[in-house]
Amino acid sequence: TQLLEQSPQFLSIQEGENLTVYCNSSSVFSSLQWYRQEPGEGPVLLVTVVTGGEVKKLKRLTFQFGDARKDSSLHITAAQPGDTGLYLCAGAPPGSARQLTFGSGTQLTVLP
Amino acid sequence: DAGITQSPRHKVTETGTPVTLRCHQTENHRYMYWYRQDPGHGLRLIHYSYGVKDTDKGEVSDGYSVSRSKTEDFLLTLESATSSQTSVYFCAIMGGAGLAGGNAYEQYFGPGTRLTVT
Repeated sequence: TQLLEQSPQFLSIQEGENLTVYCNSSSVFSSLQWYRQEPGEGPVLLVTVVTGGEVKKLKRLTFQFGDARKDSSLHITAAQPGDTGLYLCAGAPPGSARQLTFGSGTQLTVLP
Repeated sequence: DAGITQSPRHKVTETGTPVTLRCHQTENHRYMYWYRQDPGHGLRLIHYSYGVKDTDKGEVSDGYSVSRSKTEDFLLTLESATSSQTSVYFCAIMGGAGLAGGNAYEQYFGPGTRLTVT
């Protein structure tokens, strides 16, 4: 079983601050996805990265896939209270693109 | 909106009773999944289906069974519920090859069912 470790597990910051969430593994993934989940709802896909070294930007969110495709990071610039939620990374093992391995999540709270 | 509904949304049941959760999709996706979500564990795969009557086990399948008699419905059954099965259960579908390219497939989730076993 390929494991994905997310850090930090909890993060509480003030509005306007920057933050980075990490997703690490000792295994290679063919692609990696980031989801955000709000209380009482299912996870919602934010982005998919497939190429080692790839960087994708979604407004104030920047996602990076490691060169070796074993890790990823999510950076949020000037966080807002609306960014509050549980952030989950999920990786697809090589040869098993239809089965995702999920990290345990980072609970982000942005205080106004 | 991927057209996924789950029922019931909340359920409280007693230890030893059977429970069936339903996932319904409206977009004719072949792949469907059942996950459970517990604090500190993220999402863990219980079972998945790759077509009508075609199912396979996931990471935490013990104590659970599934059935898929129609493309649109995927049922999860706890034959004899235990307190350790208290959790939030999510159904997901997998879309076609994603916009990211390659063979990256993206999952879309239902709203979840909160199950409490007392």
